[in-house]
Amino acid sequence: SYELTQPPSVSVSPGQTARITCSGDALPKKYPYWYQQKSGQAPVLVIYEDSKRPSGIPERFSGSSSGTMATLTISGAQVEDEADYYCYSTDSSGNHSRGVFGGGTKLTVL
Amino acid sequence: QVQLVQSGAEVKKPGASVKVSCKASGYTFTSYAMHWVRQAPGQRLEWMGWINAGNGNTKYSQKFQGRVTITRDTSASTAYMELSSLRSEDTAVYYCARDFLPYYYDSSGHRIFELSPGYWGQGTLVTVSS
Repeated sequence: SYELTQPPSVSVSPGQTARITCSGDALPKKYPYWYQQKSGQAPVLVIYEDSKRPSGIPERFSGSSSGTMATLTISGAQVEDEADYYCYSTDSSGNHSRGVFGGGTKLTVL
Repeated sequence: QVQLVQSGAEVKKPGASVKVSCKASGYTFTSYAMHWVRQAPGQRLEWMGWINAGNGNTKYSQKFQGRVTITRDTSASTAYMELSSLRSEDTAVYYCARDFLPYYYDSSGHRIFELSPGYWGQGTLVTVSS
């Protein structure tokens, strides 16, 4: 079955740039999405269709892709950005697709 | 605004089934896909399946195929996820999540869903224990 691979953890100091990667064979054809999940809360969509931000998501969150790798970048990470981050995509196109989440990356900001 | 309100926590014995509901409001229920995602304690998000709330068509993760059934009641704007043959490893928080993006029409005039979970319910804890 299709898999998305993320690093287990990333650590930065406040104000630094955090980059979280996600690799998957179908990413050149299917958009990645990124979710932030803080402890005990439901996930929040922070990036959709590779690089777009939903309303209310700070501009320091951005997304990009190159080939089979997608990257979530948090420019000037804040302490409140400390959370688990998950990438998500689908395994094919159309209404026969299945979704898949990456393994998640724990971002530490301290 | 979009709201998804899930049913309350459940405790089940191994071998039993559980049915979790997700009541939607703030949008046209039949115009979006609804996903079910679960998260075991301390573990990753796990996609289980989705339903086309318009026509009821479903697609499931191969991991749960045969054990999960997703349905909807359009008159109640509610989606359901039923998981059978429960085992201790099914202890998790179960989330419903509505697509963020609307469908589009392909060249044949079919509705195509983006499968983009964007609005999430509060989660329902299902505990499986003897």
